[in-house]
Amino acid sequence: GAVVSQHPSWVICKSGTSVKIECRSLDFQATTMFWYRQFPKQSLMLMATSNEGSKATYEQGVEKDKFLINHASLTLSTLTVTSAHPEDSSFYICSASPGLDTGELFFGEGSRLTVL
Amino acid sequence: EDKVVQSPLSLVVHEGDTVTLNCSYEVTNFRSLLWYKQEKKAPTFLFMLTSSGIEKKSGRLSSILDKKELSSILNITATQTGDSAIYLCAVGGGGADGLTFGKGTHLIIQP
Repeated sequence: GAVVSQHPSWVICKSGTSVKIECRSLDFQATTMFWYRQFPKQSLMLMATSNEGSKATYEQGVEKDKFLINHASLTLSTLTVTSAHPEDSSFYICSASPGLDTGELFFGEGSRLTVL
Repeated sequence: EDKVVQSPLSLVVHEGDTVTLNCSYEVTNFRSLLWYKQEKKAPTFLFMLTSSGIEKKSGRLSSILDKKELSSILNITATQTGDSAIYLCAVGGGGADGLTFGKGTHLIIQP
C-alpha cells in the first residue's frame, strides 16, 4: 500500500518559536496533500488542502499566516506553525491522495506538538 | 456543508460482546465511506465502501453501506481488549477532496 511519512513524530518547543512538520509520500506522487489537526478525544479536523505548485486552500477559521503550508514537490508538503503558543499544542496529521476516484487517503504517523 | 455523524460517542462492553457502531452522512458529492481505527497515533485503515462495494468483511470486523439511508455500520464480533480504540468514519468526495470525519466512537473493551 501507499506509504506516507511524517516527521518529526513529536516536538516540544518554546512559546514564540516556529516549528516545521514534513509530510512525504514515499512511493507515489501526490498532487494534493491534506493537513489535519486533532485535539484530545476529538476527531480529525481538516485544516487545509495543500496543492503542489500553488497556494494551499485553508478551511474556515484556520489562520493561513499562522499555519504556513508549502507543497514544493509532488512528494513533499510542509506545515510550519509560526510563533507557536500553548494553544497550538495538538496532534497534527497529514494525508496524501494518489488521486484515486474513491477518495482513499493515506495517512502519516502524525506529529505531536507541545508548546511550552 | 458536509456532515458526518457517528453514534454512540463512547461505548463500554465486556470482552466477547458484539458491538455495532453507526455512521450517517450528508455530503454533496459522495464517492466513498471509510472506516478507520485510531489507537495512539494516526488512523489505520479498516474498510472502504463505495457504490460498487457496499459490504466488506475482515475477520471479526464487517461493515455495510446503506446508500438509501445514507449510513453505514461497523460490526465487531467476539470483541477483544485489543479492539479498544477510537473508530472513525469518514466520507470522501473523491479525487482531490479531503475526507470529512465524524467525531468518532470511543470503544472500550473490558476484560
